[in-house]
Amino acid sequence: DIQMTQSPSSLSASVGDRVTITCRASQGISNYLAWFQQKPGKAPKSLIYAASSLQSGVPSKFSGSGSGTDFTLTISSLQPEDFATYYCQQYYSYPFAFGPGTKVDIK
Amino acid sequence: EVQLVESGGDLVQPGGSLRLSCVASGFRFNSQWLSWVRQAPGKGLEWVASIKQDGSGKSYGDSVKGRFTISRDNARNSLYLQMNSLRVEDTAVYYCARGAGCDYWGQGILVTVSS
Repeated sequence: DIQMTQSPSSLSASVGDRVTITCRASQGISNYLAWFQQKPGKAPKSLIYAASSLQSGVPSKFSGSGSGTDFTLTISSLQPEDFATYYCQQYYSYPFAFGPGTKVDIK
Repeated sequence: EVQLVESGGDLVQPGGSLRLSCVASGFRFNSQWLSWVRQAPGKGLEWVASIKQDGSGKSYGDSVKGRFTISRDNARNSLYLQMNSLRVEDTAVYYCARGAGCDYWGQGILVTVSS
């Protein structure tokens, strides 16, 4: 099975900061990687699919990169509405797996 | 507008059964993979199962394999999750999602397994 890890597990940042979250797969997954944002009590929201493609309606301050085993999600300028937990997911092979999440909160 | 609406959540005793449903609208249902994902209280997301467009291919997470069954009815735009031999650790909010990469999600439905 493919294991997904994320770093850091949490981070504190200020409004306007550039934030980068890393996701690593235990074996190559090509670009079958998605990123999600989840706020407390809400369903996850898809941000990025195929590692670097922005979902319709998602602001361009979000970007994804990577291929193979190492991926990043970058938020170019953090805004108050971006404080949330972020998850990656591989959908290259069964069982599809999520990373453990990265909680982004206010410094 | 894509919409996914789950139903069927409840309080059930350990060892019991429950069937979740998810009704979809706003897209061509029979052209999409569908998935179930769950989230235990205070925990992260856990992939449960996925099913291909015509229902011919299904796969399950290790924690539910042999107990849960995913199915779909393309004529009714509906996705199902039959959950048997429920355990306390199955307590979670269950989400249905479109696709293997989960590009749209339902609002979630709570399943509580407790005596």
